[in-house]
Amino acid sequence: EVHLVESGGGLVQPGRSLRLSCTASGFFFDSYAMHWVRQAPGKGLEWVSGISWDSSNTDYADSVKGRFTISRDNAENSLYLRMNSLRAEDTALYYCVKDMSEGGFGGWFDPWGQGTLVTVSS
Amino acid sequence: SYELTQPLSVSVALGRTARIPCGGNSIATRNVHWYQQKPGQAPVLVIYRDNNRPSGIPERFSGSNSGNTATLTISRAQAGDEADYYCQVWDSNTGVFGGGTRLTV
Repeated sequence: EVHLVESGGGLVQPGRSLRLSCTASGFFFDSYAMHWVRQAPGKGLEWVSGISWDSSNTDYADSVKGRFTISRDNAENSLYLRMNSLRAEDTALYYCVKDMSEGGFGGWFDPWGQGTLVTVSS
Repeated sequence: SYELTQPLSVSVALGRTARIPCGGNSIATRNVHWYQQKPGQAPVLVIYRDNNRPSGIPERFSGSNSGNTATLTISRAQAGDEADYYCQVWDSNTGVFGGGTRLTV
């Protein structure tokens, strides 16, 4: 069974940094693109960032471009999101998701982790 | 940037058919995926590539995509179908979600 477990969330002051992690199991992690999707409290879903299976391709939502960096370690079956210069509007539940299109972007997201909560506040 | 438009809410009587639209410019040229999210839970995929059901999703869930509107159809609606539903497409390597529709049964 496929499992995605996020960690690293917490309370952080504006302007500070945080690194999220996602540990995957139950599938060939190094064959699939992976993404981060977030959901602000009481709001809808927002795609944040994605990375191809071999890290050759990454992309970001305009709202986080230049501040967030996605990466992965296929040997550790892990996905990461480095978040710098955090703002109050980055407060959200961050989900790790698997892209069902083998290798590159463009597929559907299945499954989703349970998310890790990031709260940006002074 | 590409935008997807969903109604904030849709209501359906128990046992009837619910239709949730997702509007976008020439959306029929794109693959549309649908997710169900119940309160306090992570989203779950219910339809992929316009009209395909993942294993474990009831046949009551179906999808269509034509012109500028994709539609998620839920037949014989049950109380357990009450949830938020989101459509999703890709636009130049960027994921795009609709704003979500709250289904009330």
